[in-house]
Amino acid sequence: NAGVTQTPKFQVLKTGQSMTLQCAQDMNHEYMSWYRQDPGMGLRLIHYSVGAGITDQGEVPNGYNVSRSTTEDFPLRLLSAAPSQTSVYFCASSPGGLNTGELFFGEGSRLTVL
Amino acid sequence: AQSVTQLGSHVSVSEGALVLLRCNYSSSVPPYLFWYVQYPNQGLQLLLKYTSAATLVKGINGFEAEFKKSETSFHLTKPSAHMSDAAEYFCAVDFGNEKLTFGTGTRLTIIP
Repeated sequence: NAGVTQTPKFQVLKTGQSMTLQCAQDMNHEYMSWYRQDPGMGLRLIHYSVGAGITDQGEVPNGYNVSRSTTEDFPLRLLSAAPSQTSVYFCASSPGGLNTGELFFGEGSRLTVL
Repeated sequence: AQSVTQLGSHVSVSEGALVLLRCNYSSSVPPYLFWYVQYPNQGLQLLLKYTSAATLVKGINGFEAEFKKSETSFHLTKPSAHMSDAAEYFCAVDFGNEKLTFGTGTRLTIIP
């Protein structure tokens, strides 16, 4: 099983450029989410979705957009990249409510903004 | 405010010694609690979870954690550390709002 697949694994951007981090899962999970990981700060939730057509903001949503047109895909868009968005990004999915399930993580996408 | 605190960003133990990683949360209602492990250049994977059943939870690789409501704690332990346990460990809490809140992580180093 592929599980949660993130692309690209590495990306370098210049300030002001836009890009999309792709996330796809093949487990038919309703819940999907994006986190960023920064040293000393753990993982912080950017956006999440409880099903196709439904998205909501997490702890640090500014500068990021998401959409959920299908159950499988949950892309994260950076409209105008800033150096503060240099980070490792993780996509994660869950079969249902977090209280009985667990998050399944992708391997991460390392983004550097110059 | 609801929060998760992991005491000690770095912990070093000798091979064969007890591993104790601390996690405390702030909430008036017992939440759902998780421990995740992250090996270098990988995503996180679940070690164990507490979902209001037994207060002592056993996970993979010999780890276990005990939920103590009176102390609002969910500390992770392993009786005997192995070199392969070197990784970063994250405590995470679901406060019932469809969001998993993570602690800042503890990097575990095993001394041969």
